[in-house]
Amino acid sequence: GIQVEQSPPDLILQEGANSTLRCNFSDSVNNLQWFHQNPWGQLINLFYIPSGTKQNGRLSATTVATERYSLLYISSSQTTDSGVYFCAAQRWEYGNKLVFGAGTILRVKS
Amino acid sequence: NAGVTQTPKFRILKIGQSMTLQCTQDMNHNYMYWYRQDPGMGLKLIYYSVGAGITDKGEVPNGYNVSRSTTEDFPLRLELAAPSQTSVYFCASSYDREGTGELFFGEGSRLTVL
Repeated sequence: GIQVEQSPPDLILQEGANSTLRCNFSDSVNNLQWFHQNPWGQLINLFYIPSGTKQNGRLSATTVATERYSLLYISSSQTTDSGVYFCAAQRWEYGNKLVFGAGTILRVKS
Repeated sequence: NAGVTQTPKFRILKIGQSMTLQCTQDMNHNYMYWYRQDPGMGLKLIYYSVGAGITDKGEVPNGYNVSRSTTEDFPLRLELAAPSQTSVYFCASSYDREGTGELFFGEGSRLTVL
């Protein structure tokens, strides 16, 4: 099946800094999503982005499907951005299911 | 819309007991999923369903059973609970014929087996 790797595993930022999180996947994908898990454990869908670029406020994401990676950009980070960021990918030939990466733990300090 | 609702939020079981985690969604989604998340780890798929009456195994199905009698409900059954099933369980749903739609999660159910 498809393999999903995220980097870095851990990231500590000062409030106001920018960051880039990376997601590599082992095969071409039909579905690529980014999620944020807040410190209380809630999982929120940030982007559905199998290709191209999307922006939502201070967050944006780009997926380069031909090169098998996706990037999540966080600008002007805030303490509320802390948590774990997951990307998940799916390829139809491997079944109707998303495979999650191990996540990037982000800590934003005030 | 309430979205995806899971119950209970917390539960402690003794080894060998059984229980059912309930999941319901009111978004008329055809795809539903159960994931487990062990401490400090990512999510692993237990079972999923592409519609009422159809279920399939994910990565870690052993020790679990599911059913999908309606579009809204997708309960997860734990038979003969074991300490290895201590985890946080998430139910999720999406709408798309090929399952490529945006995924929405419930708030999770924290299960401890002692």
